[in-house]
Amino acid sequence: DAGVTQSPTHLIKTRGQQVTLRCSPKSGHDTVSWYQQALGQGPQFIFQYYEEEERQRGNFPDRFSGHQFPNYSSELNVNALLLGDSALYLCASSLTGAREKLFFGSGTQLSVL
Amino acid sequence: QQQVKQSPQSLIVQKGGISIINCAYENTAFDYFPWYQQFPGKGPALLIAIRPDVSEKKEGRFTISFNKSAKQFSLHIMDSQPGDSATYFCAASSYSGGSNYKLTFGKGTLLTVNP
Repeated sequence: DAGVTQSPTHLIKTRGQQVTLRCSPKSGHDTVSWYQQALGQGPQFIFQYYEEEERQRGNFPDRFSGHQFPNYSSELNVNALLLGDSALYLCASSLTGAREKLFFGSGTQLSVL
Repeated sequence: QQQVKQSPQSLIVQKGGISIINCAYENTAFDYFPWYQQFPGKGPALLIAIRPDVSEKKEGRFTISFNKSAKQFSLHIMDSQPGDSATYFCAASSYSGGSNYKLTFGKGTLLTVNP
């Protein structure tokens, strides 16, 4: 079992650009959440996808959007990148409602210059 | 608004000592309190978790103590080992059915265990 896989592992962008991050959930998991972890901080919830719909959203602007595909994989899109968007973006997966078995990927480190 | 406050920010203990990390929460709707361990370059991994209907949970060298009235919970690592050196996050979650849940994390504690 490969666990939660994220790609790419590292990414460098410039201000104003757009970025797409990808996540494959752990085998058998159908719910995907995205978190932003700034340097030296705890992860912050961005949004959660289940059945290809956004179910919950944290305090993030509309520049952050996502998608879940029929195979449960997910994408995080960030438009009009700001310097403050530089962070580790973590994907987490679980089975429906099974928050006790939430698994995180190793993340995508995004640097905005 | 920081809903989960974690302290200390960093902690240094000697091998064999006890590491204690504390968290406090504000939202009384929280009903699940996990602790995560994160090594550099890795995502957080679930260490141990507790629900508010119990006051203590122990798994190996790791114990969570929970005080519902004070809205506080803590992680104790007994016989701390150099391999325990990592960043520890407390978190809290409320659940509104189906797949509607999210974790609110503390800011983390960097634990260093000296040999």
